[in-house]
Amino acid sequence: AQKITQTQPGMFVQEKEAVTLDCTYDTSDPSYGLFWYKQPSSGEMIFLIYQGSYDQQNATEGRYSLNFQKARKSANLVISASQLGDSAMYFCAMRDVSDYKLSFGAGTTVTVRA
Amino acid sequence: DAEITQSPRHKITETGRQVTLACHQTWNHNNMFWYRQDLGHGLRLIHYSYGVHDTNKGEVSDGYSVSRSNTEDLPLTLESAASSQTSVYFCASSEARGSSYNEQFFGPGTRLTVL
Repeated sequence: AQKITQTQPGMFVQEKEAVTLDCTYDTSDPSYGLFWYKQPSSGEMIFLIYQGSYDQQNATEGRYSLNFQKARKSANLVISASQLGDSAMYFCAMRDVSDYKLSFGAGTTVTVRA
Repeated sequence: DAEITQSPRHKITETGRQVTLACHQTWNHNNMFWYRQDLGHGLRLIHYSYGVHDTNKGEVSDGYSVSRSNTEDLPLTLESAASSQTSVYFCASSEARGSSYNEQFFGPGTRLTVL
C-alpha cells in the first residue's frame, strides 16, 4: 500500500522568504506521479505542481518548485518569495500508474508572517 | 467552463438518519472519487468509480455507499449516519489516462455534522 508522510504539521515563514515542505513516500511501483495541492482557509483544493517518477528535471510552476530525490523517495515542495496569500494547508499526494487513486499525506499548515 | 459541484455545502443531521451527498461534474471525466477530510488524516478515500455502473471501496468505506448511473454524477450515501462521520467531504474527478500525470479536480466540499 502507498504511504505518504508529511512530518511538519505546521510552519511559520517570513514574507518574501522561501519555505520547504517535506514529503516522503513509499511505493513499490516504478512508475508513479507526485502531486502537491494547496488548501486555503476557504477550503477548496487547488492543484499546484506535478512530478513524474521518470521526469529527468525537477518540476517548476512559477514560485513553486519540487525537489525530487527519487532514491530517497522524497518530493519536497519549495515555495520561493512567500506571500501572505500562501498561508494555507499543503498536501502531498501520489498515484501509481497502475491506478487512478491518489494517496494523500496528512498535510502541512503554512503561516506567512508579514 | 467545466466544473464539479457538490450539494449541499453544509448539512446537519441526526444519528441514524440516511444522508445523501450529491456530486456533479461537467468535465466528462470517467473517474470520480469521494474523500473525507479530518484533522491529522489528510484526505482519505471512501469510494471511487472508473465509469458508469463501476464502483469500488476505498480505505474508509464502512457505512458509505455510492452508485454511478451516468458519467456526471456520483452520489455518496451514508446509510445510517454516525457521529464519527462528522467530517468535510470532497468529491473529485479525473480523466482516464494512462500516464502518471492525472490531475484530480475537486469540488468545493460538503461540511457534514452528525448530532
